[in-house]
Amino acid sequence: DAGVTQSPTHLIKTRGQHVTLRCSPISGHKSVSWYQQVLGQGPQFIFQYYEKEERGRGNFPDRFSARQFPNYSSELNVNALLLGDSALYLCASSQGTPASGNTIYFGEGSWLTVV
Amino acid sequence: DAKTTQPPSMDCAEGRAANLPCNHSTISGNEYVYWYRQIHSQGPQYIIHGLKNNETNEMASLIITEDRKSSTLILPHATLRDTAVYYCIVRVAVGTGTASKLTFGTGTRLQVTL
Repeated sequence: DAGVTQSPTHLIKTRGQHVTLRCSPISGHKSVSWYQQVLGQGPQFIFQYYEKEERGRGNFPDRFSARQFPNYSSELNVNALLLGDSALYLCASSQGTPASGNTIYFGEGSWLTVV
Repeated sequence: DAKTTQPPSMDCAEGRAANLPCNHSTISGNEYVYWYRQIHSQGPQYIIHGLKNNETNEMASLIITEDRKSSTLILPHATLRDTAVYYCIVRVAVGTGTASKLTFGTGTRLQVTL
């Protein structure tokens, strides 16, 4: 079975541009979360979606937005890119409700470099 | 706002058991403890998780103290491929409680040597 898949794997953007990152959860998983991992640090929570609704949001500016589609895939959008947005963006999926103790699986991430 | 404390680094000889400690003294009664590892900034790999009872799977064992204020991840026979950063994480509720997040700290860098 396919795990959590993310695209693109690597990309380079210029300051001020916009980026869209995509995530396909494991089949049957309805909950998708996004995390940002800056080099040398642990991942930080950005968003959680369940059944196409935003259920949680981390301490990130409004330049960050996301959505979940009827097939439970998800997009993370970042506007007006800053150099500090350079990071590994991780998508995670789980079965069941977000508040339950389910196993959470991560994708390999999308490496974003802002120049 | 990580709720866990881990040693920054540990060494382990190949073939020996690796015991990675974690303190989570402020954990709430319904919060789970998760362990992940990350190799060369790949996506975090799930290892194991638990609430109160000890857990074991094909990768590792998780020992949670009775007061739930600390836990230990045990890799029974460490190999060179187990060299990684290991994160002990408490899954906390977000917002009104219908969501949750994993709060990563800085982890333990485990170095397995010959």
